Amino acid sequence: RKEVEQDPGPFNVPEGATVAFNCTYSNSASQSFFWYRQDCRKEPKLLMSVYSSGNEDGRFTAQLNRASQYISLLIRDSKLSDSATYLCVVRDTGGFKTIFGAGTRLFVKA
Amino acid sequence: DAGVTQSPTHLIKTRGQHVTLRCSPISGHKSVSWYQQVLGQGPQFIFQYYEKEERGRGNFPDRFSARQFPNYSSELNVNALLLGDSALYLCASSRGTGGTEAFFGQGTRLTVV
Repeated sequence: RKEVEQDPGPFNVPEGATVAFNCTYSNSASQSFFWYRQDCRKEPKLLMSVYSSGNEDGRFTAQLNRASQYISLLIRDSKLSDSATYLCVVRDTGGFKTIFGAGTRLFVKA
Repeated sequence: DAGVTQSPTHLIKTRGQHVTLRCSPISGHKSVSWYQQVLGQGPQFIFQYYEKEERGRGNFPDRFSARQFPNYSSELNVNALLLGDSALYLCASSRGTGGTEAFFGQGTRLTVV
């Protein structure tokens, strides 16, 4: 079993749609959680950290369920510019090992 | 402020050769991590260095090694290159560890022929 697993993609959605990505992790001792965005042939960039209480940043909402070892990302009112690969990231206790999921590709169409 | 800088940006090597990749973190950042990203996959964790000591290691063979210098810059070394080592090598820096945000460089694209 992979340490971090994400929804298989790609997701093809029209502009304005709401789309949700899911991610599960295997190490119950994991401490920090993030969503990164990666554009084609570019480096990953932090989209948002994920907190136990859930957090929102504009059109983006992240949720963490420690009991189920599950992380989610919700994107509302999708824009063409949201087209990218979204990477789920889990960091272990102590923060010395960071595991990326394989990524979920999103295509937003006009 | 300058971001994370990596050199070289592209590199072609022959099987069996050795390669050294370099990374300069953002000023004030003491942690550097290295990742390998194969096309279509997420970045795979190779090493993390914090305060010049190795603090984390991923599942990579001993052909891969790294070090961090007193100025917090870092080198990744790969010996006896294999075709399968062809990938984008990413360096990320952060102020510390744990929940601190990691900033990535643009990567070094290594091709082994």
